[in-house]
Order: sequence, then structure tokens, then C-alpha cells
Amino acid sequence: AQTVTQSQPEMSVQEAETVTLSCTYDTSESNYYLFWYKQPPSRQMILVIRQEAYKQQNATENRFSVNFQKAAKSFSLKISDSQLGDTAMYFCAFFFPDAGNMLTFGGGTRLMVKP
Amino acid sequence: NAGVTQTPKFQVLKTGQSMTLQCAQDMNHEYMSWYRQDPGMGLRLIHYSVGAGITDQGEVPNGYNVSRSTTEDFPLRLLSAAPSQTSVYFCASHRGVQSTQYFGPGTRLLVL
Repeated sequence: AQTVTQSQPEMSVQEAETVTLSCTYDTSESNYYLFWYKQPPSRQMILVIRQEAYKQQNATENRFSVNFQKAAKSFSLKISDSQLGDTAMYFCAFFFPDAGNMLTFGGGTRLMVKP
Repeated sequence: NAGVTQTPKFQVLKTGQSMTLQCAQDMNHEYMSWYRQDPGMGLRLIHYSVGAGITDQGEVPNGYNVSRSTTEDFPLRLLSAAPSQTSVYFCASHRGVQSTQYFGPGTRLLVL
């Protein structure tokens, strides 16, 4: 079975500063895909960034980047130059193509960006 | 493109009532899924489909039925609603096994 853990239930950051959200996982699968989703108060699930496990290079998407440490089974999200619109719940999620068609989600981290 | 759409946005049911949550996508995606999100938790998979006429169970399938008669639509049926089914329901779709899942806006369901 796969498990995903987000150990920070809540975090806050000042506008324009940088924050890192942590995610660890446990799996015996070798083929998988990693995602960070953002869920603002509207409840819409919005894809932030995606990483393929077979790629060594960390994914980057504008102000968002990941630090993927496969051996340590760690997948953190760094948000640079935080903006008020970044206030949301953030979920890390994993997709295992060889273990059913499901995204396995962590419990989420609530991020508040303060002005 | 509308992407993934869900109706209704909010519904109140009494215990024992039945209803169908609608989901449609206009991206010609083969894969569609239903998730539920309970307070303070991530999403959990209820049922999924890998194409018209093919469905399978996810992590929490009990109390729910699905069918997939067309590529575009994937309705979720609650045959006899229970308070434990109070949740927010998300439908998602994606093109292939390796592609990203895109989510609808969610349906909030309250069962009294």
C-alpha cells in the first residue's frame, strides 16, 4: 500500500517571502508521478506542478518548484515571492500507473499568506 | 472548453433518499474518476472508468454505483443516502495513464 504524509497541517508566510511545504511518502512501486494541487476557498482543485519519478531534474513552474529526493521519498514544494492569492490548502498526491487508477493524496497543508 | 463540469453544486438529502451526481467532460478523456473529500482530509477514490462501458472500484466504493455509457459522462449514484456520505464530491478526468487529472468544481452533499 502507498501512503502519503504531510506533516505540517498549517503554515503561514509573509507576502513576498519564500515558504516550503513538506511531503513524504512510502511505496514499493518504481513507476509513479507526483503532483502538488492547490485548493483555494472556492474548493476547486488546481494543479500546481507535476514531477515524473524517473526524472532527476526537479520541476519548476514560475514561482513554484519542487525538491524531489527519491531515495529519501521526499517531495517538497517551494513557493517563492508568496502572494496573497497563494492562500489555500495544498495537497501532494501520487499516481501509480501499475497500482490502480487513483491519485493517493496527503492530508493537506493549509497555507496562509499574510500581508 | 468547459473542461470538467459537475451538477448540482450543492444538495441536501434525507437519509434513505437516492440521487445522481452528474459529471461531464468535453476533452475526450478516456479516464474518469469520482473522489470524495471529507473535512480536513485529502481526496479518496470512489469509482473510476477507463473508457465507455468499463468501470472499477476505488478505495471507498460502498454505497455508490457508477456507469459509463458515453465518453463524456460519468454519473455517480447514491441508492440510499446515509449521513456518512455527507462530503464534497469531485469528478476528475485524464487522457491516459500517465497524464494529469483535471478536476471539476465539486458537489457539496449534505445528508440529514
